[in-house]
This record gives sequence, C-alpha cells and structure tokens, in this order.
Amino acid sequence: DAGVIQSPRHEVTEMGQEVTLRCKPISGHNSLFWYRQTMMRGLELLIYFNNNVPIDDSGMPEDRFSAKMPNASFSTLKIQPSEPRDSAVYFCASRGTGGSTEAFFGQGTRLTVV
Amino acid sequence: AQKVTQAQTEISVVEKEDVTLDCVYETRDTTYYLFWYKQPPSGELVFLIRRNSFDEQNEISGRYSWNFQKSTSSFNFTITASQVVDSAVYFCALNTGANSKLTFGKGITLSVRP
Repeated sequence: DAGVIQSPRHEVTEMGQEVTLRCKPISGHNSLFWYRQTMMRGLELLIYFNNNVPIDDSGMPEDRFSAKMPNASFSTLKIQPSEPRDSAVYFCASRGTGGSTEAFFGQGTRLTVV
Repeated sequence: AQKVTQAQTEISVVEKEDVTLDCVYETRDTTYYLFWYKQPPSGELVFLIRRNSFDEQNEISGRYSWNFQKSTSSFNFTITASQVVDSAVYFCALNTGANSKLTFGKGITLSVRP
C-alpha cells in the first residue's frame, strides 16, 4: 500500500486566498484525522471522521476552516479565506477499525500564507 | 476527557548515553491505547509502538524499551546507547476507543550529540 497520500506537499498562497488540502487514506481504514503542527502549539487535532462521518470538529479553529470526506478514499481540508497565522504543517492520518490500531500519517502539507 | 503530558520539552545527550522520555496520561476509560511516534528532522511521523491498557508487560525492541505502569499512569520510553540518528521529536499519544480521537502530547525534542 502507498500509505496516506497528501497533496500538495508545499503550498504558498497569499492572504485571503482559498486553500484546499487533500488526503487519500490507506485503503480499508475507516478513521481519518486532520492535524495541524506549529512550533507554538505542537500537534493539534482539527477534526476526525469515522466511516466518512465527522465525529469531532471541536479543534477546527474557526469558520474559515472546513473539512469534508465525500467517500472512504478522499478527504479535503479547506481554508477560506486564508490568513498568515494559518501557516503550519497540516497532517492527515488514517486508522483501521478499532481504537487499538495505530494511525498512519501522510507526509504533511507545509502551508505558507504570505 | 483525555490528556497526555510530556513534561520534558528538550533533552540533549551525548552519543551512547541512555535516555528516558517520560509520558503521563489521563483518562477515565478503563480500556485505552497508548502510542509512541517519532518525528525525525525530515518531518514525517513514524509509529513506534502501541500498548493496550490491559497489557502492562514491558517491551524491548533493540535499543528501545517501553515501561508501562498503570499505577502511575505512565508510559515511558527508554533509548539505550543513543545514536545521532535518534535525534528527533518523540510524541506520546492516547486513544480510548474506536470512535475516540487520538490525543498527542506536546512532544520531546531529543538531540543526540556525537
């Protein structure tokens, strides 16, 4: 299996622009997580899905952030409009059935908003 | 609520020294799962180990060992005879079930000097 695939790997955008981050989880995994990593705040869970349904989005910073999982093999995280403070590395992770299994992470998307 | 505390933020050792990374967790659930991840300078998050709450047996894998103690809610990680390649950020994480989120500690930055 190719693992969790995120795109793009790097994104530089201007403040106010819309940004869409994409994630393809490992086939057969039924949980998907979006994390944001910054020096100041470490790894923050933004939202997670179970069987394509959002379970907990309490970590989403504000309404500018939205996430979707239209099917088991694809998820997006959208920021509209983007702001410089959104600059971070965004990770997607997927996990198989059951809480005992480990989550596998994608390579991350490094977002820079100028 | 679940919480993971990694009180150490940065540790610096000289090669061949042993080093222990501490992890303390909080949860009201009786069934839970603990994980350690490594994030090398290249940035990806690599799964190292999983431990179930009903299995307190310690584990050794090469130079790595893990000590799980429910009495103190700790899941500590020891690297024996550290090497420069061990330099990374190490995260401890907690999950309490199939529909629960994976909660990470703040991470410990380990620097191993030659």
